[in-house]
Amino acid sequence: QSVLTQPPSVSAAPGQTVAISCTGSSSNIGAHFDVHWYQHLPGAAPKVLIYGNNIRPSGVPARFSGSKSGTSASLAINGLQAEDQADYYCHSYDNILRTWVFGGGTKLTVL
Amino acid sequence: QVQLQQSGPGLLKPSQTLSLTCAISGDSVSSNNVGWNWIRLSPSRGLEWLGRTYYSSTWYNAYAEFVRGRITINPDTSKNQISLHLESVTSDDTALYFCARDFAVPGRYPYYLDYWAQGTLVTVSS
Repeated sequence: QSVLTQPPSVSAAPGQTVAISCTGSSSNIGAHFDVHWYQHLPGAAPKVLIYGNNIRPSGVPARFSGSKSGTSASLAINGLQAEDQADYYCHSYDNILRTWVFGGGTKLTVL
Repeated sequence: QVQLQQSGPGLLKPSQTLSLTCAISGDSVSSNNVGWNWIRLSPSRGLEWLGRTYYSSTWYNAYAEFVRGRITINPDTSKNQISLHLESVTSDDTALYFCARDFAVPGRYPYYLDYWAQGTLVTVSS
């Protein structure tokens, strides 16, 4: 029931590439609001991976990248590593609900 | 480096008030261009933004509609921290609660959450 829709889970082997989608609507992502992505390992503080749709903060490896098109956004992780196994969340704003909104989260399993 | 340290009880009974504090180091609660947020995570509802406080010549608060009337977020400049009070809790308020700083990039919205605390698991049970 999250406003932004993410696949509940994705999996891939080390070294492969995985993409996590975040689907919204014309009142959020499609209304040109930014999309941000966070990584959350259980027991740790969430960490921003991508902000402003495709900007990597300093210290985030270049194998993480973000994109946005229309009412959807995507987080790609190239060259998967075991340490990437975590939950990933997208974040934007909805101008009908007038609140910050998040995706339901995607659990990434590195096989 | 900004660090956020949460404290507060993790077990409440229905109808009680949830109270958490978030101590800030490496920044000032009164800094310009940042805000201080409370967000929660539950298996059934995912991440939910609860509210925000920020300073811009005076203090402002913004709250999510679904908790408005039950929530108060206060800054404490003497202790450089923020607090969360959520009244009349029910089992639906059981969640992992986070405080987080947001950073405003000019001309861009929403602000992104650049620093988070580890979170406090709050369970509401009779």
